Amino acid sequence: QVQLQESGPGLVKPSETLSLTCTVSGGSMSSYYWSWIRQPAGKGLEWIGRIYTSGSTNYNPSLKSRVTMSVDTSQNQFSLNLNSVTAADTAVYYCARDPGSSGWYYFDYWGQGTLFTVSS
Amino acid sequence: DIQMTQSPSSLSASVGDRVTITCRASQSISSYLNWYQQKPGKAPNLLIYAASSLQSGVPSRFSGSGSGTDFTLTISSLQPEDFATYYCQQSYNTPQTFGQGTKVEIK
Repeated sequence: QVQLQESGPGLVKPSETLSLTCTVSGGSMSSYYWSWIRQPAGKGLEWIGRIYTSGSTNYNPSLKSRVTMSVDTSQNQFSLNLNSVTAADTAVYYCARDPGSSGWYYFDYWGQGTLFTVSS
Repeated sequence: DIQMTQSPSSLSASVGDRVTITCRASQSISSYLNWYQQKPGKAPNLLIYAASSLQSGVPSRFSGSGSGTDFTLTISSLQPEDFATYYCQQSYNTPQTFGQGTKVEIK
C-alpha cells in the first residue's frame, strides 16, 4: 500500500522560507507525477504544483515566483520550498501522487497533511 | 485558469436519499474531471476520475457523469459515512483547479 508522509517545521516567521518534504513508501516513485496541494483552514483546495520523476515541474502561476520543487528518487522523497511567506500561506499542506495513467490525471494517494503556520 | 463552480455549496439530506452535486467548468475540459470526498481533519479521497470512472475500492453508490463543461456526482442512496465535503477538480490543464466544495449535511 502506497503511503505518503509530509514533514517539516510547523511554524515559520514572515518573509522566511517554508520547506516541506514528502516521503513515499510502499511503492516506487518512478513514472509518476508528485504534487503539493494546500488548504487554508475552512477553505478549499489549491494546487501548488507538481514534479515528475525526471525532475520536470509545473507550478501554479499564482505562486510560481516563490516555489521550487525537487525530487530525490533514491530517498523516495520530494520537496517543496516556498519563499517569502506571509500569513496568507498559512494552511494545511498535502502531498499527493498523480499516476498520469494513459493521459488521465488525478490524485489517487495523499499524505495526511501538515499544518504550516506563518507567524512572528 | 479554468474556474470550477459547484452547486449547491451545501445541502441537507437524509440517509437513503439520492444526492446530486453539479460542477461546471469555465471552458470545455473534455472528461478531465475528478471528484473527491473530504471528511474533517482528513485528506481528500478520490472517488471518481475521468468524469465517470469509479476509483478502486469506492462503493458503487457513487457515480459520475458529464463531459465538456457540465458534470454531475450522484450518490444513489446516502449512507451515514457519506456526510462530508465533496470537491470536483479539473486536470485538463495546469494549474489544476478545484471547485469550492459542497458540504453534505445530515437532515
